[in-house]
Amino acid sequence: DIQMTQSPSLLSASVGDRVTLNCKASQNINKNLNWYQQKLGEAPKLLIYYTNNLQTGIPSRFSGSGSGTDYTLTISSLQPEDVATYYCYQYNSGTFGGGTKLELK
Amino acid sequence: EVQLVESGGGLVQPGRSLKLSCVASGFTFSNYGMNWIRQAPGKGLEWVAYISSGSSYIYYAETVKGRFTISRDNAKNTLYLQMTSLRSEDTALYYCASLTGSSDYWGQGVMVTVSS
Repeated sequence: DIQMTQSPSLLSASVGDRVTLNCKASQNINKNLNWYQQKLGEAPKLLIYYTNNLQTGIPSRFSGSGSGTDYTLTISSLQPEDVATYYCYQYNSGTFGGGTKLELK
Repeated sequence: EVQLVESGGGLVQPGRSLKLSCVASGFTFSNYGMNWIRQAPGKGLEWVAYISSGSSYIYYAETVKGRFTISRDNAKNTLYLQMTSLRSEDTALYYCASLTGSSDYWGQGVMVTVSS
């Protein structure tokens, strides 16, 4: 099974900060990775698909990158509405990362 | 408007069975592979099972293999999850979802509680 490790598990940042969330796969997943945002009490929302494709309707401050085993979600300028938990998901065989909880400092 | 509506959850005793349903509308259900994903209270997301559009390919997480069965009825636009030999650790909110590129659709989830 492919394991997905997200870091950090908790991130505190200020409005306007550039924020980077990491996701590491236990083996090459060939860019088959999505990023999701989940707010309290809501279903997850797709932000990025296939590593770096911005989902329709998602603000351009969100971007994704990576290859092989290492992937990154970047928020260029953190906004208050971005407070949420973020999950990576590899769809080679179906595994979510453990999540990064993003809070305001 | 795309909708996925799960049902069939509830409180069930350990060792018993339960069958979840997910009715799809607003998109061509028969063209999409579908998944069940769960989330235990206060925990992260766990992928549970996948079924291809025509039911030819089916995969399960190791944690449910041999106990859960995913199926679908394209004529009824409905996805199912038959859960048997339920354990306390199966307690979670269960989502059905498409997870297909940008066509990424999720239901609101249905709660399953396994407790005596």
